[in-house]
Amino acid sequence: DAMVIQNPRYQVTQFGKPVTLSCSQTLNHNVMYWYQQKSSQAPKLLFHYYDKDFNNEADTPDNFQSRRPNTSFCFLDIRSPGLGDAAMYLCATSRDTGGNEKLFFGSGTQLSVL
Amino acid sequence: KQEVTQIPAALSVPEGENLVLNCSFTDSAIYNLQWFRQDPGKGLTSLLLIQSSQREQTSGRLNASLDKSSGRSTLYIAASQPGDSATYLCAVPNSGNTPLVFGKGTRLSVIA
Repeated sequence: DAMVIQNPRYQVTQFGKPVTLSCSQTLNHNVMYWYQQKSSQAPKLLFHYYDKDFNNEADTPDNFQSRRPNTSFCFLDIRSPGLGDAAMYLCATSRDTGGNEKLFFGSGTQLSVL
Repeated sequence: KQEVTQIPAALSVPEGENLVLNCSFTDSAIYNLQWFRQDPGKGLTSLLLIQSSQREQTSGRLNASLDKSSGRSTLYIAASQPGDSATYLCAVPNSGNTPLVFGKGTRLSVIA
């Protein structure tokens, strides 16, 4: 019954080797988010989509990109991962933006960079 | 820019105790506030959402209050259980109705 599914659960990549993380949802929500969370830190918003409209946070590094080919799927591409990009990456959805709607999170992808 | 602070960073209590977790935010022009639970190595689960027009919201043993004017919220957990052990995060919109900004959370341990 998982509603927001992230694959893979764990991802190991090499320094500088591109990596893609995926997220899918069965909720038919308009909004999909990508958050980065480092150990004992607050989740940090990287970007979000309202339908096909892409919204990039001002301080999201250029190394990070995202694609949303349809309502159900969203991808996070890290072009040249550095050691500092090792983190938990969380995908979330909501019917609308802001806090009027509850956010539904996936289980996350733990990224390690060697 | 909205900043969210949670105190304490960690808390350990014996089973059965009632406890309060605190959250403060800098910009009080918010539509609402949400509390989440995060188990180790997992995603977040929404616990409670308080609209700006509400002062509190309850779900089972959880009660969350909101004081917009002072920029504060509390999460009250009654009769704590070992299964309540997790990190609790609060989140508010960055500005008005924009995506959520999170605090670092309070890591709760309930000892049997």
